[in-house]
Amino acid sequence: GAGVSQSPSNKVTEKGKDVELRCDPISGHTALYWYRQSLGQGLEFLIYFQGNSAPDKSGLPSDRFSAERTGGSVSTLTIQRTQQEDSAVYLCASSLMSGGGPSEQFFGPGTRLTVL
Amino acid sequence: GENVEQHPSTLSVQEGDSAVIKCTYSDSASNYFPWYKQELGKRPQLIIDIRSNVGEKKDQRIAVTLNKTAKHFSLHITETQPEDSAVYFCAPDTGRRALTFGSGTRLQVQP
Repeated sequence: GAGVSQSPSNKVTEKGKDVELRCDPISGHTALYWYRQSLGQGLEFLIYFQGNSAPDKSGLPSDRFSAERTGGSVSTLTIQRTQQEDSAVYLCASSLMSGGGPSEQFFGPGTRLTVL
Repeated sequence: GENVEQHPSTLSVQEGDSAVIKCTYSDSASNYFPWYKQELGKRPQLIIDIRSNVGEKKDQRIAVTLNKTAKHFSLHITETQPEDSAVYFCAPDTGRRALTFGSGTRLQVQP
């Protein structure tokens, strides 16, 4: 079946502009995560959606970052007034959270953001 | 939040040797212990996982061992091959909060 998809795959923008990154999770997956990965670095948690619960936004680095998940499916990560330090690969992942507890995260291919 | 540490940060082995990566965590409520492999330029993918009611799990050349009392779990790769070269991440999970990934271990298998 279809995996997690993200768009765009690459985004080049100018400093100060806003960008929107999109994630389509696997159908039926209730949990959705956004991460940021700078070159050669680890995975930095940004935000976590689980079902109808309020999202865990504890990883968002500043108020320029926001995310929403509509209808429990597609999610959009928005970065306002982009800065050069926002340049990174933004990864989305989804998982099936059930009565059995947490499970494998399936990652999308990522969006490579470059802020000039 | 969860404190996750991974060691070593880099590991170089000769083809055919074994490799062991250790992950320590702080949240005793963690009950799911996965290892992800990320090859250069690709997305992370699960290679093996274990739940808290099991002490060891093996899948061909890879295995994961869990010590809940000491709060650590380890990835074991035997008979390493060049295609095992990648960055490996642990991510202990409680299922109730956002994940903290380990900082990663870069494994290089020398042919």
